[in-house]
Amino acid sequence: QSALTQPASVSGSPGQSITISCTGTSSDVGFYNVVSWYQQHPGKAPKLMIYEVSKRTSGVSNRFSGSKSGNRASLTISGLQAEDEADYYCCSYAGSSTYVFGTGTKVTVL
Amino acid sequence: QVHLVESGGGVVQPGRSLRLSCAASGFTFSSYGMHWVRQAPGEGLEWVALISYGGSNKYYADSVKGRFTISRDNSKNTLYLQMNSLRAEDTAIYFCARDGTPYIAENWFDPWGQGTLVTVSS
Repeated sequence: QSALTQPASVSGSPGQSITISCTGTSSDVGFYNVVSWYQQHPGKAPKLMIYEVSKRTSGVSNRFSGSKSGNRASLTISGLQAEDEADYYCCSYAGSSTYVFGTGTKVTVL
Repeated sequence: QVHLVESGGGVVQPGRSLRLSCAASGFTFSSYGMHWVRQAPGEGLEWVALISYGGSNKYYADSVKGRFTISRDNSKNTLYLQMNSLRAEDTAIYFCARDGTPYIAENWFDPWGQGTLVTVSS
């Protein structure tokens, strides 16, 4: 199972919106509505942000939103803040109780 | 409060074995599937293994199949990963993570433990 493809880095100024893409195949992202997104600050464990494509987990700001079209999922962060600077990973259920993560995107707040 | 704490990491020679543990608290452990996910130094996340809530079903990434064994003891609220025939490329932080919701097969990971570092080196 190949990793989902994410841009290596995305940057934006405070207050701006950015979108991180996550491209898979018709066997994972395109087939299942079980895409999740994780935020990871340096030296910390990943934290769930979005599950089932677009549902925000408890406590996550509504500045974070998820969507999917075909084989591509996206995470949008609006009103970018300094604390959003982190690595972000998408993950998709890939069938037969297996999962595949994205390559990861480093978000920089300029 | 849900809490996962990994232990058992360390430095091990290639070809040797190591067993990781993950102690769970704050939730009904026996109701949730549990995962191991690893992250090589400076790299991304890789799903490693899943065990069903009852322990009877186990699934593995191709990269560890036949070498790693996931197990659980629901009486002790503990998850395990037995790693045999270790290779340099198994060097990583190993995180345990809970299914986000109980009993269903297609899931997500929430929460995560803090991780334990495994270094495979001679």
